Amino acid sequence: LAKTTQPISMDSYEGQEVNITCSHNNIATNDYITWYQQFPSQGPRFIIQGYKTKVTNEVASLFIPADRKSSTLSLPRVSLSDTAVYYCLVGDIAGSSNTGKLIFGQGTTLQVKP
Amino acid sequence: DTAVSQTPKYLVTQMGNDKSIKCEQNLGHDTMYWYKQDSKKFLKIMFSYNNKELIINETVPNRFSPKSPDKAHLNLHINSLELGDSAVYFCASSQGTLRYEQYFGPGTRLTVT
Repeated sequence: LAKTTQPISMDSYEGQEVNITCSHNNIATNDYITWYQQFPSQGPRFIIQGYKTKVTNEVASLFIPADRKSSTLSLPRVSLSDTAVYYCLVGDIAGSSNTGKLIFGQGTTLQVKP
Repeated sequence: DTAVSQTPKYLVTQMGNDKSIKCEQNLGHDTMYWYKQDSKKFLKIMFSYNNKELIINETVPNRFSPKSPDKAHLNLHINSLELGDSAVYFCASSQGTLRYEQYFGPGTRLTVT
């Protein structure tokens, strides 16, 4: 099972672009990379998911190099409300049983300052 | 409309008691999960059900027993509660598991005294 490693914390200022990198050296062929955001006293919220290269949605971009051993979540022009914990997940698909065991990293606490 | 709901939101109980946490999703998803988040914010999957069938059962004490009466509900029953069971428990659901886009409930904070 692929294990993930992320920075424990990051600081940024409003309006800046924030890049959070996740390492997953043992990622398997069928694994997807997914990022979640969690505010205090709330459940995690799906942000973005990708398999390779680059994925972009209205919230963030996800960059995945060719070897897929790492990924970078990019948050453009963060605001104070982006202060949260960000989790990187690598999904392990188990054969044809349509199951998946998710492994959450320890999360990166992003603090956005005014 | 709440997509994934859990009850209760807070649960304070004494060691040795038995308690249940209920989860319901109105998204029409076929897979539901229970996660445990400890004080260090580590989020670990405990169980997963797909169409009422148990598909993931992590190394969890057998004092924890999930029950899925139908696709929309996944309850968690805990027997003989211990201090170490204190945590926030999250229920989640997804349409299938291949893409791992899961919708989480608000969590149940369990405190065992």
